[in-house]
Amino acid sequence: GAGVSQSPSNKVTEKGKDVELRCDPISGHTALYWYRQSLGQGLEFLIYFQGNSAPDKSGLPSDRFSAERTGGSVSTLTIQRTQQEDSAVYLCASSRQGSNAEAFFGQGTRLTVV
Amino acid sequence: DAKTTQPPSMDCAEGRAANLPCNHSTISGNEYVYWYRQIHSQGPQYIIHGLKNNETNEMASLIITEDRKSSTLILPHATLRDTAVYYCIVRAWSGNNRKLIWGLGTSLAVNP
Repeated sequence: GAGVSQSPSNKVTEKGKDVELRCDPISGHTALYWYRQSLGQGLEFLIYFQGNSAPDKSGLPSDRFSAERTGGSVSTLTIQRTQQEDSAVYLCASSRQGSNAEAFFGQGTRLTVV
Repeated sequence: DAKTTQPPSMDCAEGRAANLPCNHSTISGNEYVYWYRQIHSQGPQYIIHGLKNNETNEMASLIITEDRKSSTLILPHATLRDTAVYYCIVRAWSGNNRKLIWGLGTSLAVNP
């Protein structure tokens, strides 16, 4: 596609449920990032994938958060046993050349935990 | 990466130039100044970046002071569609997006 695609655009879930958020990066982009943005806040880095290298998971806030990237393309961010503080917009971005290239962002998934 | 300081909000009349300031007094010699904006309910959008020379593209101009401790993003003829939160970020060319510190940015309101 022309840009980074994320689905769903909105997700409401009950506390304690697991959720999966999907990201389709721009074709040919080898780097993929997940960020989180709470209401009125800046972006918070979560995880980074670059090609076949081991992902940088240093931003994941707890072990309830995990992500995978299959075939170097689509990525799924999974949040287990969701809590109300997980409510945020989850943004995915991809870039062409690696960690220092310009990142193109998707529209995000707005997650609401009730 | 160095930290940046921006005013929390600004107003601008439609058709006028919008000048958004950013302080980055601890910027290092190899760090670039990047500007992104985020329109409501959308992901951030890259605008422009520069090292020490002034830069211009189809979206905006970037003016960096000679000591590189501050910069100004200029939208020459602001439109209502330019209403957004504008983020100023400094980053080394060899740095990486995942370590960027995203502050609260400047919320620009373009008024008719």
